[in-house]
Amino acid sequence: EIVLTQSPGTLSLSPGERATLSCRATQSGRTNSLAWYQQKPGQAPRLLIFAASSRATGIPDRFSGSGSGTDFTLTISRLEPEDFAVYYCQQYGRSPYTFGQGTKLEIK
Amino acid sequence: QVQLVQSGAEVKKPGASVKVSCKASAYTFTNFYIYWVRQAPGQGLEWMGRIDPSDGSTSYTQNFQDRVTMTRDTSTSTVYMELTSLTSDDTAVYYCARSASSWGWFDPWGQGTLVTVSS
Repeated sequence: EIVLTQSPGTLSLSPGERATLSCRATQSGRTNSLAWYQQKPGQAPRLLIFAASSRATGIPDRFSGSGSGTDFTLTISRLEPEDFAVYYCQQYGRSPYTFGQGTKLEIK
Repeated sequence: QVQLVQSGAEVKKPGASVKVSCKASAYTFTNFYIYWVRQAPGQGLEWMGRIDPSDGSTSYTQNFQDRVTMTRDTSTSTVYMELTSLTSDDTAVYYCARSASSWGWFDPWGQGTLVTVSS
């Protein structure tokens, strides 16, 4: 099973700042088979990024994904108030498809 | 728009079973896989398995393969997830989510169904 480790666990930033979230896998699966999701309290996860760097429909361009192999990054260029949430990475390249433990992005 | 609507919250006693539904709309039901993911209170996301609505074939993760059954009803575009022998550790929000293939990202997700197991 591929284990995903997200860092940091909690990230405290202010609106307008840049956020960089990391996701590291214990091994690589199918090429760039990594997604990022945003989850707000009481809501279902929402797809942000698939195939490591492709934005989902309707996702603002301040969200970007990068990386390959075992190291991936989600960057939010300028934080808006609505971006403060928990973010999960997921690998879907090798079954069982696993999620990271999440990074909580909180307002500083 | 594409939507997955799940059944309402459930309260079950230990040892019982629960069956959660997930009704799809605004797309061709048999063209997309449905996955089930659960989230215990304050915890992360755990994939349980998937079903291919086109033929009903399933794949379950090792943690659940002895206790979970996923089925579908093509006449109503609905997928069901039944979990048996419930314990307090099964208290969680259960989500269904759509994917275009047997390996792929999940989009969209249902709104979630809270299952509480308590004596």
